[in-house]
Amino acid sequence: EIVMTQSPATLSVSPGERATLSCRASQSVSSSLAWYQHKTGQAPRLLIFGASTRATGIPARFSGSGSGTEFTLTISSLQSEDFAVYHCQQYNNWPPITFGQGTRLEIK
Amino acid sequence: EVQLVESGGGLVKPGRSLRLSCTTSGFTFGDYDMSWFRQAPGKGLEWVGFIRSKVYGGTTEYAASVKGRFTISRDDSKSIAYLQMNSLIIEDTAMYYCARDTYYFDKWGQGTLVTVSS
Repeated sequence: EIVMTQSPATLSVSPGERATLSCRASQSVSSSLAWYQHKTGQAPRLLIFGASTRATGIPARFSGSGSGTEFTLTISSLQSEDFAVYHCQQYNNWPPITFGQGTRLEIK
Repeated sequence: EVQLVESGGGLVKPGRSLRLSCTTSGFTFGDYDMSWFRQAPGKGLEWVGFIRSKVYGGTTEYAASVKGRFTISRDDSKSIAYLQMNSLIIEDTAMYYCARDTYYFDKWGQGTLVTVSS
């Protein structure tokens, strides 16, 4: 099973600033990495797949990078609606499909 | 518009059973694999299992934590996926989500809460 580790657990950032979230895989997942945004009481929302491809309707301020075992989600200028929990997920080697434990992005 | 709506959650005693439904609309359900996930309080997302489309045999895969207790099925005529949960334990308490599966998960429902408690 591939273990996904996200850091930090919580990130405090001011609106308008840049946020950088990290995700590490215990072994290479190539570019088979997705990012999701999840707000309490709502459905998770796909942001990025293939490590760097934005899903339909996702604003350009969200970008993904990385390959192999190290990945980054960057939000270039935080808007109020971006404060949420972010999950990474690998789909290179499954089952099982595995997620990181999440990064909570909170307002500073 | 693609929609997925989970239902069937509730409070259940340990050892009992529950069946969740994922009712979908806005896409050709039979063309897609479907997955179930859960999120326990204070924990991350956990994949529960998935069912392939009938084109790929409609076969299923499960997480080790639920294998032998949970069963996923589908009714393509109704565009519904099911999660039958038997022999429930306290640790199964979680919000349960279904999602459209394209290796990553592009559409999700809002979840249904399952609480296992005596």
